[in-house]
Formats: sequence, structure tokens, C-alpha cells
Amino acid sequence: GDSVTQMEGPVTLSEEAFLTINCTYTATGYPSLFWYVQYPGEGLQLLLKATKADDKGSNKGFEATYRKETTSFHLEKGSVQVSDSAVYFCALSGDYRGSQGNLIFGKGTKLSVKP
Amino acid sequence: DAGITQSPRHKVTETGTPVTLRCHQTENHRYMYWYRQDPGHGLRLIHYSYGVKDTDKGEVSDGYSVSRSKTEDFLLTLESATSSQTSVYFCAISESRRAESYEQYFGPGTRLTVT
Repeated sequence: GDSVTQMEGPVTLSEEAFLTINCTYTATGYPSLFWYVQYPGEGLQLLLKATKADDKGSNKGFEATYRKETTSFHLEKGSVQVSDSAVYFCALSGDYRGSQGNLIFGKGTKLSVKP
Repeated sequence: DAGITQSPRHKVTETGTPVTLRCHQTENHRYMYWYRQDPGHGLRLIHYSYGVKDTDKGEVSDGYSVSRSKTEDFLLTLESATSSQTSVYFCAISESRRAESYEQYFGPGTRLTVT
């Protein structure tokens, strides 16, 4: 079945450092890909998404490109801030009948940014 | 913020007792979802609904039942709670399941402890 694998954390960075969180997927057909963020004590919020190959999703300085050839959707940010400290989840939604709209999540990567 | 509330926000219950969690939305979205979040597992789909009285199973539905008698309310019931159901439960909603317009909005979560 469909699955998502993302790098294990925790990831600890200094403020203004470059961030990469790796995400790869296994899926039938052409899934849609998402990054969600969860701040402490809160629910998940959509950070960005891409619905087809070579699409780049971006939001709040974060970017991710849908790479079908490597089945990847890595999250990047050029300069992290303390306020980016959170847990980041990669997810996919399948494109075949019955799977559309059901999200499959990776296990999450906790990011801590130190001043 | 999407209008999603969950109740209760915290609950401690004993093994073998029934428990019902409530998700209420004010967005009039058609689709609603229940997830559980556990360390090392990310979020996993329990059940979802695609309309009033229309529900289907997710990845980890054993031991759970759901009901949706009104568009705005989606109930999750543990008929006889077990310690393995100790978790944080999230409700989510979406207006569409089509990839190009797809986004799930999450509630704040319910922390359930079964002793």
C-alpha cells in the first residue's frame, strides 16, 4: 500500500541555519503531496502542497518540489527562526478511487531551533 | 482558523468503559475524519465520513465506531476502552476530496488516557 517515509528527528538547528527535512513516498499512480506543521499543543496546519510532478509548493519561506523520478518531496527553508520549532509531517493523498482525500502521514520530524 | 471544536479536550477513563468523543464544525464541510496520533506512528486514519449517515473505515478502525447524524457533528465511540487506545485524537474536515482543491483542517485534539 501507499506509504510515506520521512527523516527521523529530532533535528536541532541554530537560528538562520538552512533546513532540509527529507520525505520519500511509495504510491500507486500520481498522489498529491503535503507538508503539515504541528506547533506544541495544537492541531495540524497545512504548510504547503503539490498536486502534480515538478510542482513546487511554498509558504512562509518553506518550499518543497514534487519529484516523481525520485519519489520525493523534501521540505527546505533557507533561514529558520525560533518560531519554526514544531513537528513537521509529510503526507500523501492517493489518486485512485477510494483513496482520494484520505491522507497517509509520515511519522513526523521534530524541529528545534535555538537562538 | 477553521471552526472545528473537539470535546472533551482531556479525558481519563478506566479500561472497559465506553467513551464518546465529539467533533463539531461550523464550516458546513461535507467530509469529516478521525485520526489518532501516537509517538512513532504519526497520524493514522480511524474512520471518515462523506456525508450525513455515510461513513467508512480507515486504517485503524478496530475497536472504534462513528456516527454522523448532522453535517456539523461527527462522533467517535470506543465501546469498551482499552489501554492501547490511549492516544491523542484529532478530528479533521475538508470541503472537497479533489486534489486541486484539497485541504484538511484539523481540530485542537483530545488527549485520552485509559487506565
